[in-house]
Amino acid sequence: AQKITQTQPGMFVQEKEAVTLDCTYDTSDQSYGLFWYKQPSSGEMIFLIYQGSYDEQNATEGRYSLNFQKARKSANLVISASQLGDSAMYFCAIKDDYKLSFGAGTTVTVRA
Amino acid sequence: GAVVSQHPSRVICKSGTSVKIECRSLDFQATTMFWYRQFPKKSLMLMATSNEGSKATYEQGVEKDKFLINHASLTLSTLTVTSAHPEDSSFYICSARDTLAGANEKLFFGSGTQLSVL
Repeated sequence: AQKITQTQPGMFVQEKEAVTLDCTYDTSDQSYGLFWYKQPSSGEMIFLIYQGSYDEQNATEGRYSLNFQKARKSANLVISASQLGDSAMYFCAIKDDYKLSFGAGTTVTVRA
Repeated sequence: GAVVSQHPSRVICKSGTSVKIECRSLDFQATTMFWYRQFPKKSLMLMATSNEGSKATYEQGVEKDKFLINHASLTLSTLTVTSAHPEDSSFYICSARDTLAGANEKLFFGSGTQLSVL
């Protein structure tokens, strides 16, 4: 079984600052994929970034970057230059046989 | 990019009635779709895996007679909440896997359905 842990239920960040969202995982698989999704209040799930377990470099997508530490089994998301539109719930997920298992999520509120 | 359409976005029904939710992949074939349930401010919990042309695979604790899943075509899966009760009120969201995509391709999500049972 695979498990995702997000220990921060909620975070406040000042506009234009960076914020790091924690994610640790537990898996016995050698090959796996880690995902981050954003869920605004409207409910849709927006894909942000993906990291493969064999990827040597940390993934980046625009203002999103993933701090992947395989030995520690952590995959923290860094959002740089926060914007008001970044206020949402953020989920870390691990893929197991095409299914995604999600963490509890972190609510991010960006303050002007 | 790939789009998954989910309808309705919101439904209110009386206790005891059945509600059908559709999940449709618009520009790709999806032999596998997933149905999740989400309570407010909580995580997405996988309910079942919908397989085109075969029976759905339900997660432990999910009543298959309560949540009927049909995946009759490569682009459409439906979730029917039968004899709905207030405790079935929740946000339901589907996701679809592009059949032609690699193993680590992202899943595409519908926009979700907020079900309220009175």
